[in-house]
Amino acid sequence: AQSVTQPDIHITVSEGASLELRCNYSYGATPYLFWYVQSPGQGLQLLLKYFSGDTLVQGIKGFEAEFKRSQSSFNLRKPSVHWSDAAEYFCAVGGAGGFKTIFGAGTRLFVKA
Amino acid sequence: DSGVTQTPKHLITATGQRVTLRCSPRSGDLSVYWYQQSLDQGLQFLIQYYNGEERAKGNILERFSAQQFPDLHSELNLSSLELGDSALYFCASSVGGQTDGYTFGSGTRLTVV
Repeated sequence: AQSVTQPDIHITVSEGASLELRCNYSYGATPYLFWYVQSPGQGLQLLLKYFSGDTLVQGIKGFEAEFKRSQSSFNLRKPSVHWSDAAEYFCAVGGAGGFKTIFGAGTRLFVKA
Repeated sequence: DSGVTQTPKHLITATGQRVTLRCSPRSGDLSVYWYQQSLDQGLQFLIQYYNGEERAKGNILERFSAQQFPDLHSELNLSSLELGDSALYFCASSVGGQTDGYTFGSGTRLTVV
């Protein structure tokens, strides 16, 4: 069955520190993987996506994600977090052939000064 | 502004009533997706339309229905409303299928009292 797990409900990091948000997926075929960010009161915004090719994907706002097939993971990283990055982050998996995109439960990021 | 327009932004209605949520996709996008976001269920896929035709169905209740019109805007109809239907309803659009990644609207917050 298709599923996405974000093990951390919330994470707190200091401004300027590095960030890694974890995502594990279960998918029967080659997955399309996505990270979205949701600021309070807003819709979700696509940060980056991966289907094939280089396993390190660059996205907007200075984020990157690494696909590791052997670990079924697609973790999101940022070298230096800014206060404006405080938001909820969603990992999602989908595919071609009519498979529905499934979203993880989200990880809320708090940034402390 | 993401380019996906959802109206209304807020809706308060009584149990047993019927409401219609409207979505205009980003210019050029042919696919429209509806999602329900609640604290206990997270983001749940409801239904997808592509160029006027239903393409995929998720956890959509029989009391809910949707359609996509020739001008590509979509409407989600919710009837016989229950307290548990209170949630954020998001519309998203994409050029083609879900492998493109989505552009989300800012959502309609439905409160059933």
